[in-house]
Amino acid sequence: KAGVTQTPRYLIKTRGQQVTLSCSPISGHRSVSWYQQTPGQGLQFLFEYFSETQRNKGNFPGRFSGRQFSNSRSEMNVSTLELGDSALYLCASSWEGRGTDTQYFGPGTRLTVL
Amino acid sequence: DQQVKQNSPSLSVQEGRISILNCDYTNSMFDYFLWYKKYPAEGPTFLISISSIKDKNEDGRFTVFLNKSAKHLSLHIVPSQPGDSAVYFCAATFFGNEKLTFGTGTRLTIIP
Repeated sequence: KAGVTQTPRYLIKTRGQQVTLSCSPISGHRSVSWYQQTPGQGLQFLFEYFSETQRNKGNFPGRFSGRQFSNSRSEMNVSTLELGDSALYLCASSWEGRGTDTQYFGPGTRLTVL
Repeated sequence: DQQVKQNSPSLSVQEGRISILNCDYTNSMFDYFLWYKKYPAEGPTFLISISSIKDKNEDGRFTVFLNKSAKHLSLHIVPSQPGDSAVYFCAATFFGNEKLTFGTGTRLTIIP
């Protein structure tokens, strides 16, 4: 069974630009969660989608948004990029999306904002 | 407000010895705890979990202990092997919640 895939793996943008990251979950998984990893902050929860609906959202500004398609693939978008948005963005998929479900992470997208 | 804390950013252990990684939490609502391992350039992978109704869970070389009164959990790896060198994250949630709250991670280095 193929794992969680994320594209692109690396991205370099400049301040003020916007970026879209993509995540394809494991086949059959209906939940996709997104996390931001920065040095010293660990993984911070961005949002979770299940059956195309956002069920939970972390404490991030509205510049961070996401969506999920009918095939469970998900995208997240960051508008008006800031230097502090430089991070590794990870997505994770699971069957039902409950925290007690095993979540399978992709390799992440490394975003650098210059 | 860091609700899940891993106070040791790094830990070095001799191969064959026991590795003990610690994690503290502040939110009393958390009732399910997980450990993930992360290698460079890969996403975190699930290692072991424990529900608050238990105080110990074992899986091969890995054992997680939970002390609810102290709001503390620990991961024991015995014996430690070079392939265990990675960053370990503890995470917490409560039943019915979609969100995992992660600690900042501990980098474990196993010395051959």
